[in-house]
Amino acid sequence: EVQLVESGGGLVQPGRSLRLSCAVSGFIFDDYAMHWVRQVPGKGLEWVSGISWNSGSIGYADSVKGRFTISRDNANNSLHLQMNSLRAGDTAFYYCVKDIASSFSDSSGYLIGESWFDPWGQGTLVTVSS
Amino acid sequence: DIQMTQSPSSLSASVGDRVTITCRASQSIATYLNWYQQKPGKAPRLLIYAASNLHSGVPSRFSGSGSGTDFTLTISSLQPEDFATYYCQQCYYSPLTFGPGTKVDIK
Repeated sequence: EVQLVESGGGLVQPGRSLRLSCAVSGFIFDDYAMHWVRQVPGKGLEWVSGISWNSGSIGYADSVKGRFTISRDNANNSLHLQMNSLRAGDTAFYYCVKDIASSFSDSSGYLIGESWFDPWGQGTLVTVSS
Repeated sequence: DIQMTQSPSSLSASVGDRVTITCRASQSIATYLNWYQQKPGKAPRLLIYAASNLHSGVPSRFSGSGSGTDFTLTISSLQPEDFATYYCQQCYYSPLTFGPGTKVDIK
């Protein structure tokens, strides 16, 4: 059974940092691209960042570019999101998501092949507040 | 960035009704369009991928169609477990973007 388990969420003050992790099992981790998607409670979904199987291609939403860093450790089947300079607007549930594709995008931003997200982790809540 | 819109934003329907949700992209995305269902307190789950392909385990009352900029998700006969919020997503160009969602509730 494929499992994605996020951790690292919590309450943090504006301007501080937090690191999310996602432990995966049940599939060959380094065969697939991975993503982080977030959702403000009661609101819609926002893609945050994605990373190809070998970390060779990485993308970010404009809202987090320069502040968040996605990474993966294929040896330990884990995905991470380093979040710096956190703002109140970053308060959300953060979901770890597996892609069907192995690659992400090319240098122009176009995705390499088809992509869809399945499955999703249960989410971890990040609250940015003083 | 590619903007995704959905209509309606919400709808009320009865069990057995046929329901259609529309998703529109701000530019052509071929068939790089997925649909997800989310129930309260749960993570989203994949329903339809590549515009018209039913994900494994999803009931056949769900179907998707469209290409280019206009897409639809249809539930042929609404069941009690289908009351949820539905999101479309383009996977053509980064940043990947979701529609704002369509909430389907009970009439």
